[in-house]
Amino acid sequence: QVTLKESGPVLVKPTETLTLTCTVSGFSLSNATVGVSWIRQPPGKALEWLAHIFSNDEKSYTISLKSRLTISKDTSKSQVVLTMTNMDPVDTATYYCARIQGGRDYFDYWGQGTLVTVSS
Amino acid sequence: DIQMTQSPSSLSASVGDRVTITCRASQSISRYLNWYQQKPGKAPKLLIYAASSLQSGVPSRFSGSGSGTDFTLTISSLQPEDFATYYCQQSYSTPLTFGQGTRLEIK
Repeated sequence: QVTLKESGPVLVKPTETLTLTCTVSGFSLSNATVGVSWIRQPPGKALEWLAHIFSNDEKSYTISLKSRLTISKDTSKSQVVLTMTNMDPVDTATYYCARIQGGRDYFDYWGQGTLVTVSS
Repeated sequence: DIQMTQSPSSLSASVGDRVTITCRASQSISRYLNWYQQKPGKAPKLLIYAASSLQSGVPSRFSGSGSGTDFTLTISSLQPEDFATYYCQQSYSTPLTFGQGTRLEIK
């Protein structure tokens, strides 16, 4: 059974750095055919893909946030970590991690999401 | 970036209706188009990938079609559990992008 679960702070202050962890089970981060993505959704708004990482450590970032994002993985812990620097209130959103199928790049399993609020 | 535009943005329909949602890409994306369903407070759920392939476990009343720039998601006979927001997503190139969503409401 494939599961993903996000963890991290629920509240961050402006200018702080957000660190989110996605812990996966039911598949391995060394699996060559899949990867893990981060996607966010501001309240009442659409989905926005942020980044993904595959087993060979191939990474990709959304252009508009590339300077603020870092994605990494710890295969032994089955964890993928996303850091976002210089947080702003507009970054308030539910952050999801999702498994991405390599090649076709669709998201077949999602975590429950974690709401992160940016406020002083 | 490839822009994805869905229409309509919202739609009212009744149980048993046939419903079609369209998604248009700003450039050709071949068949690299996926559809998701999202219910309030829940994570999105994959319905269709590669334009027309039904994800395992998804009811056969859902179908997808299209290629190039124009795509459709069809629900052949709406069920009460289908009232939700639907998103298309292109996977032709990064950055991966989603449509703005279509909210399907009960008439």
